[in-house]
Amino acid sequence: AQSVSQHNHHVILSEAASLELGCNYSYGGTVNLFWYVQYPGQHLQLLLKYFSGDPLVKGIKGFEAEFIKSKFSFNLRKPSVQWSDTAEYFCAVMNTGFQKLVFGTGTRLLVSP
Amino acid sequence: DTAVSQTPKYLVTQMGNDKSIKCEQNLGHDTMYWYKQDSKKFLKIMFSYNNKELIINETVPNRFSPKSPDKAHLNLHINSLELGDSAVYFCASSQDSLAGGGETQYFGPGTRLLVL
Repeated sequence: AQSVSQHNHHVILSEAASLELGCNYSYGGTVNLFWYVQYPGQHLQLLLKYFSGDPLVKGIKGFEAEFIKSKFSFNLRKPSVQWSDTAEYFCAVMNTGFQKLVFGTGTRLLVSP
Repeated sequence: DTAVSQTPKYLVTQMGNDKSIKCEQNLGHDTMYWYKQDSKKFLKIMFSYNNKELIINETVPNRFSPKSPDKAHLNLHINSLELGDSAVYFCASSQDSLAGGGETQYFGPGTRLLVL
């Protein structure tokens, strides 16, 4: 069965620090990959997605992610975080054959001013 | 302007009661979903409907019954509520998921259910 692992459950950074959140998945076929963000008390919003093409994808608010097929990874990065980036970040994978979005357990990011 | 809306936003009820949560999307999407987010923030799909037809039904108790009167609405009815049903329930929608492209899902604001 498909699964998604997010290794960092809690991350605490100071403003202007660089961010990298890990995401690995366990399916060998064709997948679509997503990062969603959930700000405190709000719903999930799409940060970025990878369907095909350039494995380095850029999303909103300065986030980017790199798909490395050989490592089954889709890590999220931001060069300089802001206090407003404090949120829960979810990696998700969709096996295009099953139309089902499988989420990781989430990483809670706290950015201190 | 709201793309995916849910009502109510908060729902507090007693064990054993029956309750419904409503979801509507104005994006013209063909597929709608219900997810449950537990207290540890883990999100898991419950159901998916495409053009009013059930296409995904995860191992969800029979007490949960989705209903899709048209492709813009997907409601969730829960019978005999239990303490373990307390969670945040998110509705989502996407373009035709059966087209095989793996479409982006857009989420509603969530319904926070507390069963006492």
